[in-house]
Amino acid sequence: DAMVIQNPRYQVTQFGKPVTLSCSQTLNHNVMYWYQQKSSQAPKLLFHYYDKDFNNEADTPDNFQSRRPNTSFCFLDIRSPGLGDAAMYLCATSATSGRNEQFFGPGTRLTVL
Amino acid sequence: SQKIEQNSEALNIQEGKTATLTCNYTNYSPAYLQWYRQDPGRGPVFLLLIRENEKEKRKERLKVTFDTTLKQSLFHITASQPADSATYLCALDPLSGGYNKLIFGAGTRLAVHP
Repeated sequence: DAMVIQNPRYQVTQFGKPVTLSCSQTLNHNVMYWYQQKSSQAPKLLFHYYDKDFNNEADTPDNFQSRRPNTSFCFLDIRSPGLGDAAMYLCATSATSGRNEQFFGPGTRLTVL
Repeated sequence: SQKIEQNSEALNIQEGKTATLTCNYTNYSPAYLQWYRQDPGRGPVFLLLIRENEKEKRKERLKVTFDTTLKQSLFHITASQPADSATYLCALDPLSGGYNKLIFGAGTRLAVHP
């Protein structure tokens, strides 16, 4: 089945220790997104790619970076995680034609100690 | 300022009844609005999309309405079942650039009791 895969599902890191979350997709979608979701809050868009074209949200902290080496993979790098960065990180994809729906992965739960 | 508001209080209903969830927005003029279901610890799953020129959309037991004058969408689940218990998120396109970009509400948690 075509899908969006996120690894790891749970990540524990220490305050200030860089961490990388990964996302892969078998849907062959042009657009990939990274969201941050804290408990009982809306998913907050951090950035997205259309192919290699990177689109950063104005309020995304510089501490968050992303790479998309090819269509299938996208990475979220948190350079110096703070306690406030503990959250669920969701990757999603979408095609640029059709219904505009987004397909989400299961998320990575990040804990910062 | 721009806002998307969903009822933050959980909605508790009895099995078999119709659940109605509300999504209100301000200072957006979306071309479409989407509804997603999110189970605890999982990513959202797309349910329905309704465009600005559509008043109503149905899919099996689900119905969505979209009133661009009131700036409101209603999401109905008829003959609700305990398996419908989840958080339901509305999302709209902000028309502020980007590709199929969505802005999400915080969701309303629905609990269907047997």
